[in-house]
Amino acid sequence: IAGITQAPTSQILAAGRRMTLRCTQDMRHNAMYWYRQDLGLGLRLIHYSNTAGTTGKGEVPDGYSVSRANTDDFPLTLASAVPSQTSVYFCATRDSDRGSGYTFGSGTRLTVV
Amino acid sequence: DAKTTQPTSMDCAEGRAANLPCNHSTISGNEYVYWYRQIHSQGPQYIIHGLKNNETNEMASLIITEDRKSSTLILPHATLRDTAVYYCIVSRSGGYQKVTFGIGTKLQVIP
Repeated sequence: IAGITQAPTSQILAAGRRMTLRCTQDMRHNAMYWYRQDLGLGLRLIHYSNTAGTTGKGEVPDGYSVSRANTDDFPLTLASAVPSQTSVYFCATRDSDRGSGYTFGSGTRLTVV
Repeated sequence: DAKTTQPTSMDCAEGRAANLPCNHSTISGNEYVYWYRQIHSQGPQYIIHGLKNNETNEMASLIITEDRKSSTLILPHATLRDTAVYYCIVSRSGGYQKVTFGIGTKLQVIP
């Protein structure tokens, strides 16, 4: 693993199903983030975690939950998927102690039908 | 965190300098200016950041006005591979962060 790994790369999901998007990093960055990207709306923050054991809500948190049990993993769960959650999801990390920029994963393309 | 304003799109001829502006008139004294770019469907990529001094790295230069209310990202010799969406963000360098990226500037490098 080098940097951030997101899985799956893409997924077609039936509405009402539960889905967890995985994000794993190997950089030991303390902060992690989930963004969604939709055409014309840019990148919008869903949830974030400043350090292991803590999480917070971003701009568009409804319908999503996260957990941060350890430094490396930050899964995003859709409890009951709806078509409006069709989007590209990016996980990002940041070493906030050093003031570095964000590092992004390659994204998960999710289609809810 | 302060908000930013960028043009929606810009064109640049290949080999010429691309100058991408960003307004951040409400920037606070402890907030940095960060630039990222996103090529096609890839994840955004960090380019450069600065507080008040001009910065340069292997990818680009960042010019911040003296009053810090605006900045310009300069790609000195644009190539076709620089065609991307460029995001300008202001935020504190450390500690708690909650940043929204907005829609950025779509830079089209023309052959």
